[in-house]
Amino acid sequence: DAGVTQSPTHLIKTRGQQVTLRCSPKSGHDTVSWYQQALGQGPQFIFQYYEEEERQRGNFPDRFSGHQFPNYSSELNVNALLLGDSALYLCASSFSVRATEAFFGQGTRLTVV
Amino acid sequence: GDSVTQMEGPVTLSEEAFLTINCTYTATGYPSLFWYVQYPGEGLQLLLKATKADDKGSNKGFEATYRKETTSFHLEKGSVQVSDSAVYFCALSPLTSGYSTLTFGKGTMLLVSP
Repeated sequence: DAGVTQSPTHLIKTRGQQVTLRCSPKSGHDTVSWYQQALGQGPQFIFQYYEEEERQRGNFPDRFSGHQFPNYSSELNVNALLLGDSALYLCASSFSVRATEAFFGQGTRLTVV
Repeated sequence: GDSVTQMEGPVTLSEEAFLTINCTYTATGYPSLFWYVQYPGEGLQLLLKATKADDKGSNKGFEATYRKETTSFHLEKGSVQVSDSAVYFCALSPLTSGYSTLTFGKGTMLLVSP
């Protein structure tokens, strides 16, 4: 059983550019959440998708947006990249929007130069 | 808002030593509590969890007890191994919001030497 898969693994972008990160949830899971983990810090919640809609959002600017597809996979888009957006972006899936247990992918390491 | 505070690392131990990593939390209501582990270059893996007061979560020799009176969820292991070297995150998920999201501490690095 494949777990949560994310692509790409690593990415280097220039300030001002836009980036799209992708996530496929664990089989049987319908809820996807995204987290940003800066170096040496704990993950920070960005937003959560369920039934193709954003259900919860953390304290992140509108430059961060997302999408969920009918097959439950998800994308995270970041516009107008800043140096401070450099981080590990983690996708987590759960079998229900109310499930307390989440399974994480390996993450996408984004470097903004 | 909700928050989690962990002891700062790194925690450096010799193999077979006893481990404690302290975690306290602030939250409205009674959240579920978790410990996640992150090995170098990898994502997060759920280590253990507890969903109500006095519950004890355990896995792979690690244990943590949900203490409502002290708002704590300290991680313990009786005898650590070199392979336990990783970063450990304490996290909470509120039950009252209707949606499950995680609030993490900053993490505690554990280094175990042979």
